[in-house]
Amino acid sequence: QSVLTQPPSVSGAPGQRVTISCTGSSSNIGAHYNVHWYQQLPGTTPKLLIFDNTNRPSGVPDRFSGSKSDTSASLAITGLQAEDEADYYCQSYDLSLSGSVFGGGTKLTVL
Amino acid sequence: EGQLLESGGGLVQPGGSLRLSCAASGFTFSSFAMSWVRQAPGKGLEWVSSVSGSGGSTYYADSVKGRFTISRDNSKKTVYLQVQSLRAEDTAVYYCAKDRAFIAPYYGMDVWGQGTTVTVSS
Repeated sequence: QSVLTQPPSVSGAPGQRVTISCTGSSSNIGAHYNVHWYQQLPGTTPKLLIFDNTNRPSGVPDRFSGSKSDTSASLAITGLQAEDEADYYCQSYDLSLSGSVFGGGTKLTVL
Repeated sequence: EGQLLESGGGLVQPGGSLRLSCAASGFTFSSFAMSWVRQAPGKGLEWVSSVSGSGGSTYYADSVKGRFTISRDNSKKTVYLQVQSLRAEDTAVYYCAKDRAFIAPYYGMDVWGQGTTVTVSS
């Protein structure tokens, strides 16, 4: 069990909006450490999607957005497309563990 | 943007050792921390270790502390992960990743290698 909790799966139809939650604690997200999100398409390496809670690297569509509040963070994907079907991971730093931590990952299925 | 190329993985018996290497190109290597992240078959991502841009600070997950050692040679633009006392649960694809800042592991990883596979089995 990861210290960052994500739903195992989410789904949505093309064009819809989905959100993926990442729930932490006062030792990580609640301690004001930044949250980052990664997308891993099937059979590929992870790709940075959102950094420092809300920022998109160049080339990432603005359909992807991140937010953070208290001890949790969320990734929102609007205008869902078939190519968004992937595994998504949140990441932060944990003070108690003195290291980085990933969420368990969420599999997004586009119906 | 940069590229990373890992090598050194393979099949090793329990208790054995390997040295993983990651050669970097396309960015100022010494300006950025570097990390190793692994992914067991069918599982999620697990952060393993990070090293600061200078090599002076290192960080480890509890699961590998005392068994794995991260280091870097800025003159060769290469980061290493010495893995020892290997266990079956260390079987995974090991990814090398570039951190977004000089210090780690706070700022996310923006360049990833293709990974090298470590299989621990007798």
